[in-house]
Amino acid sequence: RKEVEQDPGPFNVPEGATVAFNCTYSNSASQSFFWYRQDCRKEPKLLMSVYSSGNEDGRFTAQLNRASQYISLLIRDSKLSDSATYLCVVRSNYQLIWGAGTKLIIKP
Amino acid sequence: DTAVSQTPKYLVTQMGNDKSIKCEQNLGHDTMYWYKQDSKKFLKIMFSYNNKELIINETVPNRFSPKSPDKAHLNLHINSLELGDSAVYFCASSQDWRGPGPDTQYFGPGTRLTVL
Repeated sequence: RKEVEQDPGPFNVPEGATVAFNCTYSNSASQSFFWYRQDCRKEPKLLMSVYSSGNEDGRFTAQLNRASQYISLLIRDSKLSDSATYLCVVRSNYQLIWGAGTKLIIKP
Repeated sequence: DTAVSQTPKYLVTQMGNDKSIKCEQNLGHDTMYWYKQDSKKFLKIMFSYNNKELIINETVPNRFSPKSPDKAHLNLHINSLELGDSAVYFCASSQDWRGPGPDTQYFGPGTRLTVL
Protein backbone atom coordinates (compact mmCIF):
# COMPACT_ATOMS: atom_id res chain seq x y z
CA ARG A 1 0.00 0.00 0.00
CA LYS A 2 1.33 3.43 -0.92
CA GLU A 3 1.94 5.83 1.93
CA VAL A 4 -0.37 8.44 0.42
CA GLU A 5 -2.96 7.49 -2.18
CA GLN A 6 -5.22 9.54 -4.35
CA ASP A 7 -7.61 8.76 -7.18
CA PRO A 8 -5.77 10.16 -10.21
CA GLY A 9 -9.01 11.09 -12.00
CA PRO A 10 -9.62 13.01 -14.10
CA PHE A 11 -12.80 14.23 -12.50
CA ASN A 12 -14.86 15.98 -15.19
CA VAL A 13 -17.30 18.30 -13.48
CA PRO A 14 -19.70 20.94 -14.85
CA GLU A 15 -19.16 24.50 -13.75
CA GLY A 16 -21.12 25.33 -10.61
CA ALA A 17 -21.19 21.77 -9.32
CA THR A 18 -19.79 20.52 -6.04
CA VAL A 19 -16.94 18.06 -6.18
CA ALA A 20 -15.11 16.16 -3.48
CA PHE A 21 -12.13 13.88 -3.43
CA ASN A 22 -10.27 11.96 -0.78
CA CYS A 23 -6.73 11.05 0.04
CA THR A 24 -5.80 8.08 2.21
CA TYR A 25 -2.60 7.74 4.21
CA SER A 26 -1.02 4.67 5.77
CA ASN A 27 0.89 6.04 8.78
CA SER A 28 -1.50 6.48 11.69
CA ALA A 29 1.09 8.67 13.44
CA SER A 30 1.06 11.28 10.68
CA GLN A 31 1.09 14.74 12.13
CA SER A 32 0.11 17.32 9.52
CA PHE A 33 -1.93 17.35 6.36
CA PHE A 34 -2.17 19.68 3.42
CA TRP A 35 -3.76 20.19 0.05
CA TYR A 36 -1.64 21.72 -2.70
CA ARG A 37 -2.80 22.77 -6.12
CA GLN A 38 -0.74 22.41 -9.28
CA ASP A 39 -1.74 24.04 -12.54
CA CYS A 40 -0.57 22.57 -15.82
CA ARG A 41 3.16 23.18 -16.31
CA LYS A 42 3.39 25.20 -13.10
CA GLU A 43 4.75 24.64 -9.62
CA PRO A 44 2.62 23.30 -6.75
CA LYS A 45 1.15 25.92 -4.40
CA LEU A 46 -0.38 25.47 -0.99
CA LEU A 47 -4.17 25.51 -1.15
CA MET A 48 -4.89 24.89 2.50
CA SER A 49 -3.73 23.06 5.58
CA VAL A 50 -6.10 20.49 7.04
CA TYR A 51 -6.92 20.80 10.72
CA SER A 52 -8.35 18.14 13.00
CA SER A 53 -11.64 19.95 13.38
CA GLY A 54 -11.95 20.58 9.65
CA ASN A 55 -11.57 23.98 8.08
CA GLU A 56 -13.07 26.09 5.37
CA ASP A 57 -11.64 28.73 3.08
CA GLY A 58 -14.27 30.27 0.87
CA ARG A 59 -15.61 27.57 -1.44
CA PHE A 60 -13.08 25.02 -0.19
CA THR A 61 -13.58 22.73 2.80
CA ALA A 62 -10.99 20.31 4.10
CA GLN A 63 -11.69 17.48 6.51
CA LEU A 64 -9.51 15.03 8.40
CA ASN A 65 -10.70 11.59 9.48
CA ARG A 66 -7.99 10.09 11.67
CA ALA A 67 -9.96 6.93 12.46
CA SER A 68 -10.21 6.00 8.79
CA GLN A 69 -6.93 7.71 7.89
CA TYR A 70 -8.07 9.97 5.11
CA ILE A 71 -8.41 13.64 4.32
CA SER A 72 -10.91 15.15 1.96
CA LEU A 73 -11.31 18.29 -0.10
CA LEU A 74 -14.71 19.66 -1.07
CA ILE A 75 -15.09 22.39 -3.65
CA ARG A 76 -18.46 24.13 -3.89
CA ASP A 77 -19.75 26.18 -6.82
CA SER A 78 -16.81 25.09 -8.93
CA LYS A 79 -15.25 27.57 -11.35
CA LEU A 80 -13.40 27.00 -14.58
CA SER A 81 -10.30 28.30 -12.82
CA ASP A 82 -10.49 25.42 -10.33
CA SER A 83 -9.25 23.08 -13.09
CA ALA A 84 -5.92 21.78 -11.81
CA THR A 85 -4.30 18.82 -10.14
CA TYR A 86 -4.86 18.65 -6.38
CA LEU A 87 -2.02 17.11 -4.40
CA CYS A 88 -2.45 15.64 -0.96
CA VAL A 89 0.56 15.98 1.34
CA VAL A 90 1.08 14.23 4.67
CA ARG A 91 3.79 14.98 7.21
CA SER A 92 5.08 11.81 8.87
CA ASN A 93 8.22 11.57 10.97
CA TYR A 94 9.45 14.95 9.73
CA GLN A 95 9.04 13.91 6.11
CA LEU A 96 6.50 15.30 3.71
CA ILE A 97 4.93 12.51 1.67
CA TRP A 98 3.19 13.59 -1.53
CA GLY A 99 0.28 11.91 -3.22
CA ALA A 100 0.30 11.56 -6.99
CA GLY A 101 -2.54 14.06 -7.34
CA THR A 102 -6.14 14.13 -8.52
CA LYS A 103 -6.81 15.88 -11.79
CA LEU A 104 -9.92 18.06 -11.84
CA ILE A 105 -11.41 19.45 -15.05
CA ILE A 106 -14.25 21.94 -14.76
CA LYS A 107 -16.33 22.18 -17.93
CA PRO A 108 -18.48 25.13 -18.98
CA ASP B 1 10.03 39.79 -6.04
CA THR B 2 10.50 36.12 -6.77
CA ALA B 3 10.50 34.06 -3.57
CA VAL B 4 12.10 30.90 -4.96
CA SER B 5 13.92 31.14 -8.25
CA GLN B 6 15.54 28.48 -10.40
CA THR B 7 17.81 28.67 -13.40
CA PRO B 8 17.62 27.62 -16.09
CA LYS B 9 13.92 27.20 -16.76
CA TYR B 10 14.55 24.88 -19.70
CA LEU B 11 17.54 22.64 -20.24
CA VAL B 12 18.02 20.45 -23.29
CA THR B 13 21.18 18.39 -23.40
CA GLN B 14 22.75 15.22 -24.74
CA MET B 15 23.15 11.97 -22.89
CA GLY B 16 26.40 11.74 -20.99
CA ASN B 17 26.73 15.46 -20.34
CA ASP B 18 27.06 17.08 -16.91
CA LYS B 19 24.69 19.90 -15.99
CA SER B 20 23.75 22.05 -13.01
CA ILE B 21 20.53 23.66 -11.89
CA LYS B 22 20.63 26.57 -9.47
CA CYS B 23 18.09 27.53 -6.85
CA GLU B 24 17.83 30.55 -4.61
CA GLN B 25 15.25 31.62 -2.05
CA ASN B 26 14.84 35.04 -0.48
CA LEU B 27 12.30 34.03 2.15
CA GLY B 28 14.81 33.53 4.95
CA HIS B 29 13.87 29.86 5.19
CA ASP B 30 16.18 27.31 6.77
CA THR B 31 15.16 24.27 4.74
CA MET B 32 15.42 23.71 1.00
CA TYR B 33 14.42 20.76 -1.18
CA TRP B 34 14.84 19.26 -4.60
CA TYR B 35 11.95 17.36 -6.15
CA LYS B 36 11.66 15.44 -9.40
CA GLN B 37 8.36 15.31 -11.27
CA ASP B 38 8.34 12.78 -14.06
CA SER B 39 6.06 12.37 -17.06
CA LYS B 40 3.43 10.70 -14.88
CA LYS B 41 3.33 13.89 -12.77
CA PHE B 42 4.37 12.11 -9.59
CA LEU B 43 6.30 14.53 -7.36
CA LYS B 44 9.14 12.78 -5.57
CA ILE B 45 11.51 14.31 -3.06
CA MET B 46 15.21 13.84 -3.84
CA PHE B 47 17.09 15.85 -1.23
CA SER B 48 16.52 18.23 1.62
CA TYR B 49 18.98 20.57 3.30
CA ASN B 50 18.52 22.42 6.56
CA ASN B 51 20.97 25.27 7.16
CA LYS B 52 23.40 23.79 4.62
CA GLU B 53 23.21 20.34 6.21
CA LEU B 54 21.83 17.36 4.28
CA ILE B 55 18.82 15.92 6.14
CA ILE B 56 16.97 13.90 3.53
CA ASN B 57 18.67 11.87 0.86
CA GLU B 58 16.23 9.58 -0.87
CA THR B 59 17.28 6.74 -3.10
CA VAL B 60 18.77 8.80 -5.87
CA PRO B 61 21.67 7.77 -8.13
CA ASN B 62 24.95 9.24 -6.94
CA ARG B 63 25.19 11.01 -10.30
CA PHE B 64 23.00 13.59 -8.56
CA SER B 65 24.89 15.77 -6.12
CA PRO B 66 23.29 18.67 -4.26
CA LYS B 67 25.39 21.53 -2.96
CA SER B 68 24.33 24.22 -0.53
CA PRO B 69 26.87 27.05 -0.30
CA ASP B 70 24.59 28.90 2.13
CA LYS B 71 21.08 28.46 3.44
CA ALA B 72 19.60 30.60 0.66
CA HIS B 73 21.00 28.45 -2.13
CA LEU B 74 20.68 24.80 -3.06
CA ASN B 75 22.14 23.74 -6.38
CA LEU B 76 21.80 20.39 -8.10
CA HIS B 77 24.59 18.95 -10.22
CA ILE B 78 23.92 15.95 -12.43
CA ASN B 79 26.73 13.90 -13.95
CA SER B 80 26.51 11.62 -16.97
CA LEU B 81 22.93 12.49 -17.82
CA GLU B 82 20.65 9.64 -18.91
CA LEU B 83 17.40 9.58 -20.89
CA GLY B 84 15.50 8.69 -17.71
CA ASP B 85 16.63 11.92 -16.07
CA SER B 86 14.25 13.85 -18.31
CA ALA B 87 11.71 15.43 -15.97
CA VAL B 88 10.79 18.69 -14.31
CA TYR B 89 12.95 19.47 -11.29
CA PHE B 90 11.45 21.69 -8.63
CA CYS B 91 13.29 23.46 -5.88
CA ALA B 92 11.33 24.39 -2.75
CA SER B 93 11.92 25.96 0.63
CA SER B 94 10.19 26.05 4.00
CA GLN B 95 10.87 27.16 7.54
CA ASP B 96 12.89 24.77 9.69
CA TRP B 97 11.19 21.43 9.12
CA ARG B 98 11.83 20.34 12.71
CA GLY B 99 10.36 23.41 14.31
CA PRO B 100 6.83 24.31 15.26
CA GLY B 101 6.48 26.74 12.41
CA PRO B 102 4.27 26.18 9.38
CA ASP B 103 5.19 23.41 6.98
CA THR B 104 4.24 25.38 3.91
CA GLN B 105 6.62 24.74 1.06
CA TYR B 106 7.23 27.40 -1.53
CA PHE B 107 8.23 26.09 -4.91
CA GLY B 108 10.33 27.52 -7.66
CA PRO B 109 8.93 27.59 -11.22
CA GLY B 110 10.69 24.35 -12.13
CA THR B 111 13.44 23.39 -14.56
CA ARG B 112 12.28 21.29 -17.48
CA LEU B 113 15.18 18.96 -18.31
CA THR B 114 15.17 17.06 -21.59
CA VAL B 115 17.93 14.56 -22.24
CA LEU B 116 18.33 13.57 -25.88
